[in-house]
Amino acid sequence: EPEVTQTPSHQVTQMGQEVILRCVPISNHLYFYWYRQILGQKVEFLVSFYNNEISEKSEIFDDQFSVERPDGSNFTLKIRSTKLEDSAMYFCASRGRLINHQPQHFGDGTRLSIL
Amino acid sequence: GQQLNQSPQSMFIQEGEDVSMNCTSSSIFNTWLWYKQDPGEGPVLLIALYKAGELTSNGRLTAQFGITRKDSFLNISASIPSDVGIYFCAGSDTVGGATNKLIFGTGTLLAVQP
Repeated sequence: EPEVTQTPSHQVTQMGQEVILRCVPISNHLYFYWYRQILGQKVEFLVSFYNNEISEKSEIFDDQFSVERPDGSNFTLKIRSTKLEDSAMYFCASRGRLINHQPQHFGDGTRLSIL
Repeated sequence: GQQLNQSPQSMFIQEGEDVSMNCTSSSIFNTWLWYKQDPGEGPVLLIALYKAGELTSNGRLTAQFGITRKDSFLNISASIPSDVGIYFCAGSDTVGGATNKLIFGTGTLLAVQP
């Protein structure tokens, strides 16, 4: 069964450094998402992406965050200057056509640790 | 913002018992999803519900989309040790459009004793 893949599985970064989290969504999917989960808490929406642009972002997704789909397969989340509170699991998700009520499928996440 | 209240927060049961958990919201959702998360992994979809009143089964799992569109429940029958994990409900209120972002519940931790 096709799946969403994320790399790396664990990223350790010094505070203030830039970090890029990578995702390969399911190949025929059109809608892409990033979520985060702080340890012990619920999953929170960050941003949705469709047709090569951001369709919605949460208040968590400030100017330090950006997303990009540089080619036909990858979807990246960049944090420009990391803060301690950015430490969390970051999940990428993708879904197919909206009309057919297709649900979001999640990757296994990247654990980001900011020192 | 929108919030989903999920209960119970945790459950400790014996193998073979049935389990029930639910989610409620103060606002309407058009889609309800139930996910299971194992430690160190991402949420895995269990059941998706798209219509008020819909009752859907997936093996030993049954979920319903409440008539008011403000709640949903998940039942697990005859629990087994591999049912252990955190169960999340998630809702979406988007009709059409390009977002369909999910609002997640607070999770129910399920522990099953053999």
